[in-house]
Amino acid sequence: AQKVTQAQTEISVVEKEDVTLDCVYETRDTTYYLFWYKQPPSGELVFLIRRNSFDEQNEISGRYSWNFQKSTSSFNFTITASQVVDSAVYFCALLNTDKLIFGTGTRLQVFP
Amino acid sequence: EPEVTQTPSHQVTQMGQEVILRCVPISNHLYFYWYRQILGQKVEFLVSFYNNEISEKSEIFDDQFSVERPDGSNFTLKIRSTKLEDSAMYFCASTEGLAGGTDTQYFGPGTRLTVL
Repeated sequence: AQKVTQAQTEISVVEKEDVTLDCVYETRDTTYYLFWYKQPPSGELVFLIRRNSFDEQNEISGRYSWNFQKSTSSFNFTITASQVVDSAVYFCALLNTDKLIFGTGTRLQVFP
Repeated sequence: EPEVTQTPSHQVTQMGQEVILRCVPISNHLYFYWYRQILGQKVEFLVSFYNNEISEKSEIFDDQFSVERPDGSNFTLKIRSTKLEDSAMYFCASTEGLAGGTDTQYFGPGTRLTVL
């Protein structure tokens, strides 16, 4: 079965703290694709990153970094030096054929 | 930067009424999708559409739902007889389709449907 688990329902941090959002996935496919999307309070879904299963290199984009570990089926997302504007719900998703399977999301609240 | 657009942003309707949600995918994209998100819950796949036909649909996408690409730019979701439980945010998405259906899906801002 294809499944994405985001065990952290809600995380609260104070500005400038680092925070890691966990994502664990299940798939029987040997080639697969993982994604992170951000949903700010305004409601839209903003694409953050795509990771192919055959590329295990971790990625950094500014304050954002992603740690992909096939051995533990995890694709975790770290925000360094969090800011109030990072407050949002973050969804991890797995591509199954051509449809996305989303996790339940993690609500991140960054307080000033 | 090209983006997916959706209209209206908010639709209020009475139970049993038909609604049509409209989307304009990114212009050179070939695959189109509808997802929904009931308030406070996760995003759920409804249907994918390629080459003028449905390529996959979920169990949520029953006979009350239909999709259409009436012209070269619009992609619509119709709900024939709305129920209270259809109240949700409906997202349209599209992909280039260069790698089949495995490209990144870009989402529109959503239409919030409220069924009274």
